[in-house]
Amino acid sequence: DAKTTQPPSMDCAEGRAANLPCNHSTISGNEYVYWYRQIHSQGPQYIIHGLKNNETNEMASLIITEDRKSSTLILPHATLRDTAVYYCIVRVGSGYSTLTFGKGTMLLVSP
Amino acid sequence: EAQVTQNPRYLITVTGKKLTVTCSQNMNHEYMSWYRQDPGLGLRQIYYSMNVEVTDKGDVPEGYKVSRKEKRNFPLILESPSPNQTSLYFCASSLGTSGRRYEQYFGPGTRLTVT
Repeated sequence: DAKTTQPPSMDCAEGRAANLPCNHSTISGNEYVYWYRQIHSQGPQYIIHGLKNNETNEMASLIITEDRKSSTLILPHATLRDTAVYYCIVRVGSGYSTLTFGKGTMLLVSP
Repeated sequence: EAQVTQNPRYLITVTGKKLTVTCSQNMNHEYMSWYRQDPGLGLRQIYYSMNVEVTDKGDVPEGYKVSRKEKRNFPLILESPSPNQTSLYFCASSLGTSGRRYEQYFGPGTRLTVT
């Protein structure tokens, strides 16, 4: 699976959009981008995933660049409860492969 | 409520004393796995199971055993725990391994301390 690069930390004001970037320049054509988050010492929580089209669900939006070498997770109106470590993970879309969690981005949402 | 449960949530034990951490899911998921999380090392997969009686090693299987006799349960067994197995353990499950079916649900975690 392709490796990902994320900033170690980011800050966001409550109510503003949080834009979390992820670089995955070695991504292959059959690899998806998954985002999870982990609130302090709780189990990770799935947020969203995509292949090449932009995706949106009730939690967030995922914007993938046309060359698929990077993506951005957008939390449109961040709340204090969105403070967490966010993981960007790239893996093949089918069959078995390990979900490899890197160090992620620690997002701190402040009042 | 759809969930993954783990027991115990906290455990302090001594070196060499066999222990089992249970994991159960109520979503009829086929795929289950165990992770450990350590400071600076992130989440690493220990074992996974594609279905009943089908298990395989993850990235850090040494010192652990698993079994999958029923679809809903996937216990993690430490036959002779050592201090380097002190960690936070998570069980996870998903419908399958393709696309949205690979949305993994994680349990609340088990904090294990081996002295």
